[in-house]
Amino acid sequence: AAGVIQSPRHLIKEKRETATLKCYPIPRHDTVYWYQQGPGQDPQFLISFYEKMQSDKGSIPDRFSAQQFSDYHSELNMSSLELGDSALYFCASSAGQTFTDTQYFGPGTRLTVL
Amino acid sequence: GIQVEQSPPDLILQEGANSTLRCNFSDSVNNLQWFHQNPWGQLINLFYIPSGTKQNGRLSATTVATERYSLLYISSSQTTDSGVYFCAASMEYGNKLVFGAGTILRVKS
Repeated sequence: AAGVIQSPRHLIKEKRETATLKCYPIPRHDTVYWYQQGPGQDPQFLISFYEKMQSDKGSIPDRFSAQQFSDYHSELNMSSLELGDSALYFCASSAGQTFTDTQYFGPGTRLTVL
Repeated sequence: GIQVEQSPPDLILQEGANSTLRCNFSDSVNNLQWFHQNPWGQLINLFYIPSGTKQNGRLSATTVATERYSLLYISSSQTTDSGVYFCAASMEYGNKLVFGAGTILRVKS
């Protein structure tokens, strides 16, 4: 079965640089979520999209922005990177924005900021 | 927002042993999922279980929604079961998941 695809899998950036992470949801899934997992921590919700509109927002820094495109893939743009942004970034997708949808997680993008 | 607590924080098992992991949540939930994070960082979806009982091979899970807890049972543990087990729940429209701190499981051969 098709799964959530994230690219790149690994990314190394310098402080103050920018990064773009991409997420391709499971086919026919119209809801995308982004989570950030710092070292030794649990994943924290950043932002979500349903049918190309932002549906919810968590603790996402103003330096980060995201969008969902017409083909339902999503991109997380991160600017002025800081050392503390080093983390594992997960994208998840689900079929429709109801209370009862299973979220399926991608393999994650490991971002290292030097 | 909803609070999710997991216990125990760490667990060491001998291969073949059984274990029970617990997840308490502070409010009614409409979504509860169990995940296994392997040593490579991948989050594997184990169960979607806002209520009731499910089984998948050596793993099973039970959620008692009225008492606000969920249990994950691992039987005949194997070294490949090692990793971090997360419980995550949502009660809000939009379905964003709030994760517990996880249980670190080490299975020794």
